Amino acid sequence: KAGVTQTPRYLIKTRGQQVTLSCSPISGHRSVSWYQQTPGQGLQFLFEYFSETQRNKGNFPGRFSGRQFSNSRSEMNVSTLELGDSALYLCASSLEYGRATNEKLFFGSGTQLSVL
Amino acid sequence: GQQLNQSPQSMFIQEGEDVSMNCTSSSIFNTWLWYKQEPGEGPVLLIALYKAGELTSNGRLTAQFGITRKDSFLNISASIPSDVGIYFCAGQLGYGNKLVFGAGTILRVKS
Repeated sequence: KAGVTQTPRYLIKTRGQQVTLSCSPISGHRSVSWYQQTPGQGLQFLFEYFSETQRNKGNFPGRFSGRQFSNSRSEMNVSTLELGDSALYLCASSLEYGRATNEKLFFGSGTQLSVL
Repeated sequence: GQQLNQSPQSMFIQEGEDVSMNCTSSSIFNTWLWYKQEPGEGPVLLIALYKAGELTSNGRLTAQFGITRKDSFLNISASIPSDVGIYFCAGQLGYGNKLVFGAGTILRVKS
């Protein structure tokens, strides 16, 4: 069974540009979450999607957005990139959205975004 | 916002030694989780704890959910070189996968 797949693996952008990252969850998983990982702030929750609806949101500016498609695949978009957006963006999937779903939360290897 | 204080920041130990790390929070959580991350990979779940006072083992790993629901510890017994990595605690409250992570403990093992 394939794991969580994130593309691209590496990305270099310049300030002011926008970027779209893609995540394919494990087959059968319907919930997709996104996290940002930086050396300074650690792992921070961005948002979670289930059944094409955003269910949870972290404390990030509106430049960060996401969506989920009917096949559970998800994308996140960052507009007007800033230097501080350089980070490893991790996607994670689980079967359902609800209590005690964390035992089945699987992370992908991430997309390393560098903003120059 | 919610914050988790994880300690120690890093450890450099001899192979075969036991390791202990912990997390504390000013907020309560319903679930405590421990993850390990290796270079170039995403975090991998090691242990999940769902009840205050719960003590759970996974091979050489043992973790406990504190009685106050504001803390948790992870012990690794008889460390081996492949234990090297960054260990994170994470807390969850409510529905879904909105986790709050600690800053991580970097573990290095000298063989």
